Amino acid sequence: QKEVEQDPGPLSVPEGAIVSLNCTYSNSAFQYFMWYRQYSRKGPELLMYTYSSGNKEDGRFTAQVDKSSKYISLFIRDSQPSDSATYLCAPSYSSASKIIFGSGTRLSIRP
Amino acid sequence: KAGVTQTPRYLIKTRGQQVTLSCSPISGHRSVSWYQQTPGQGLQFLFEYFSETQRNKGNFPGRFSGRQFSNSRSEMNVSTLELGDSALYLCASSPGTVKETQYFGPGTRLLVL
Repeated sequence: QKEVEQDPGPLSVPEGAIVSLNCTYSNSAFQYFMWYRQYSRKGPELLMYTYSSGNKEDGRFTAQVDKSSKYISLFIRDSQPSDSATYLCAPSYSSASKIIFGSGTRLSIRP
Repeated sequence: KAGVTQTPRYLIKTRGQQVTLSCSPISGHRSVSWYQQTPGQGLQFLFEYFSETQRNKGNFPGRFSGRQFSNSRSEMNVSTLELGDSALYLCASSPGTVKETQYFGPGTRLLVL
């Protein structure tokens, strides 16, 4: 079993829709959770990070962590074509530990 | 401020050869991490260097090695290349060891024939 499981997609939604991206993880020692966005032919860029269970909001993006079920989600509100990219969840033991990446979900927002 | 730069951007090698990839971190950043990205395995951590010392290592064979210089620039080397080493190799730098300040470079795409 992989430490982090993520549906690879592709996921295609119309502009303005709410997008839900999800990951599950198996290691209960993970305490630090990140989401990265990767555009084609670019390196990943950090979108959000959180240490705790619950929600963290940043603009149109909300990260949600449920440690009891080992489930991580990223919600995108009012999705835009510029949000079309691959999204990778990345849990870790701490902010200074090595990162375990999910396989990434390819998202396409249709104008 | 200039971002993370990686050279070369593209590389073609044959099986059995060795390759050295270079990463120049953002000015002032002392930590450099290397990752391998393939369609099948995704993005996998190779190793991390901080102040010229390796502080973390992923689950890769000994053919993969790296080093960091006193100016924080880093190189990774892959010896005896195999077809499966074809991948995008990404370097990321951060001021210290916390990952929320980590920035990725554009990567070096390696093709092994």
